[in-house]
Amino acid sequence: EVQLVESGGGVVRPGGSLRLSCAASGFTFDDYGMSWVRQAPGKGLEWVSGINWNGGSTGYADSVKGRFTISRDNAKNSLYLQMNSLRAEDTALYHCARDFTEGAVAGAFDIWGQGTMVTVSS
Amino acid sequence: EIVMTQSPATLSVSPGERATLSCRASQSVSSNLAWYQQKPGQAPRLLIYGASTRATGIPARFSGSGSGTEFTLTISSLQSEDFAVYYCQQYNNWPPCTFGQGTKLEIK
Repeated sequence: EVQLVESGGGVVRPGGSLRLSCAASGFTFDDYGMSWVRQAPGKGLEWVSGINWNGGSTGYADSVKGRFTISRDNAKNSLYLQMNSLRAEDTALYHCARDFTEGAVAGAFDIWGQGTMVTVSS
Repeated sequence: EIVMTQSPATLSVSPGERATLSCRASQSVSSNLAWYQQKPGQAPRLLIYGASTRATGIPARFSGSGSGTEFTLTISSLQSEDFAVYYCQQYNNWPPCTFGQGTKLEIK
């Protein structure tokens, strides 16, 4: 079964850091680009960051640029998001998502994890 | 950044009827447009990519059309399981990719 499982969320104070992980299974992980997409409580979807199959190309939303870093370890079938200088507005459910095509980053997503919740509060 | 605008915000339709959802891009995205369905407590589900291609396992009652800046998702005969929130997303010239604010499809 193709599956993405996120972990690492929690409650953190403003200015703090958190590292999210996404474990992939059921498909050849290093064939696909991957992204993080977040959803604040009761709100819509916001793309956060994406990475191509080998980590050589990354992209970030302006709202997180300079604070978040995406990475992947293909040997461990895992995707990561290092989040620094967290703000209240970063509070959201963070999903990892797989590109719908193999190869270059496409930016649309056919497989989604259930998400891990990040709450930034003092 | 390309802004995606969906209309209406809420659409009330009776089961068995047709639903038409609209999505407009602030500049051309060619056919690099996807539609997702999201039910409460669930992750989004890819319905359509390339503006008009159904994703694997998506019923034929879902269809997408449009190119450039104007797009439409049509559900031909609504089933009870289709009532959900629908998002459009452009992925032209990644990064970034951007989502619309969503259309809630509710039972009339």
